[in-house]
Parts: sequence; structure tokens; C-alpha cells
Amino acid sequence: AQSVSQHNHHVILSEAASLELGCNYSYGGTVNLFWYVQYPGQHLQLLLKYFSGDPLVKGIKGFEAEFIKSKFSFNLRKPSVQWSDTAEYFCAVSNYGGSQGNLIFGKGTKLSVKP
Amino acid sequence: DAGVIQSPRHEVTEMGQEVTLRCKPISGHNSLFWYRQTMMRGLELLIYFNNNVPIDDSGMPEDRFSAKMPNASFSTLKIQPSEPRDSAVYFCASSFWAGGASTDTQYFGPGTRLTVL
Repeated sequence: AQSVSQHNHHVILSEAASLELGCNYSYGGTVNLFWYVQYPGQHLQLLLKYFSGDPLVKGIKGFEAEFIKSKFSFNLRKPSVQWSDTAEYFCAVSNYGGSQGNLIFGKGTKLSVKP
Repeated sequence: DAGVIQSPRHEVTEMGQEVTLRCKPISGHNSLFWYRQTMMRGLELLIYFNNNVPIDDSGMPEDRFSAKMPNASFSTLKIQPSEPRDSAVYFCASSFWAGGASTDTQYFGPGTRLTVL
């Protein structure tokens, strides 16, 4: 069965620090990859997605993610975080091939940015 | 576009009562998903529909849970009878699936926070 691992449960950074959140998945076939963000008290919003092509994907608010197929990883990065980036971040994988894919979510990583 | 609409936003009920959660997907979307989010288990897919037909309900925890989609613009998730362990945030999401070997981006509603006392 597919699974998604986000190894960091809670990350605490100061403003202007660089961010990298890890995401690994287990699925041997072709996948589509997503990062969603959930700000406190709000619903999930799409940050970025990878379907095909350039493995370095740029999303909203200065976020980017790199798909490394050999490592089954899709890590999220931001060079300089802001206090407003405080939120929970979810990595999700959708299997691709022949039928509609479901999203399998990781457990999430809570990011706290200190002003 | 109004986005995915869910109601109510908050629901507090007593154990044993029936609870109905409602969702209106984004107009033009043909797929609808119900998720449950808890601290312990994270975000879990309960059921999803394509063109109003339930495709996969393997995530529905037990027979107390049921979901319907009578038309393209409305879906309900019902819990009867409710139990304290059902307390969670329930999200509805919708997407447009083009068919075949494709995938789709899901857009989430604001969620319903359910508390069962």
C-alpha cells in the first residue's frame, strides 16, 4: 500500500531562516505529488504540485519543491521564512495510471516561525 | 468562484444523536471527497464520488457512517448514532477528473468541526 512519510512533526525556526521539510513516499509506479498548507483554523490550500516535467517545482509564496525519483522524495523548501508561514504542511501523493488517483496524505509537519 | 462550501462550520451534539454534514462542491467539478482529520490519525480519506457515484468507501470507519451525493452540487455525510470518538474536523474536497490516466488537484472546503459529547 502507498504511504507518505513526513519525518518532522514540529519544526521551529526564526524569521529569515531557511526551511526544508522532508517528504518520502512508497509507491513504485508513476506518481503525482502535492504540498498543501493549513494555516491555523483554516482549510487546506494547495501550495504546489508536480505532475511531470521539470522536477523542481515552484509554488506560491516563495515555496518550491524538488522531486527526486531515485530517493522517492519530494522535499519542500523556502530560502527565507516569515512569521506568516506558521502553519501545518502536508505532503500528498496520488498514484497515476489507468484510473483516478486518490490522495494519500502524510501526517503533516507543524512549522512555527518565531518573529 | 465561491469554492467548496461546507455546513455547518461547527457542530456540537450528544452521543447517540444523528449528525449530518453538508458539502457543495465547486461548480463544474465531477469528483467529491470526504476526509476526516484528527490529531491521532491525521487526514484520512473516508469516501469519494465520481459523477455522483461512490467509487471507494473503504475509508468509512463503520456502518454508522454513510454518504450520499444525490446530484452534482450536493453531498452529505451522515453519522448515526454519533459517538465521542467521531469528534474531528471533517473536510470535503472537490476536483475535476478528465478521465483515463490523469490526476486532479483537489480543492478543500473550510471543514466542519464536530464535537460529540
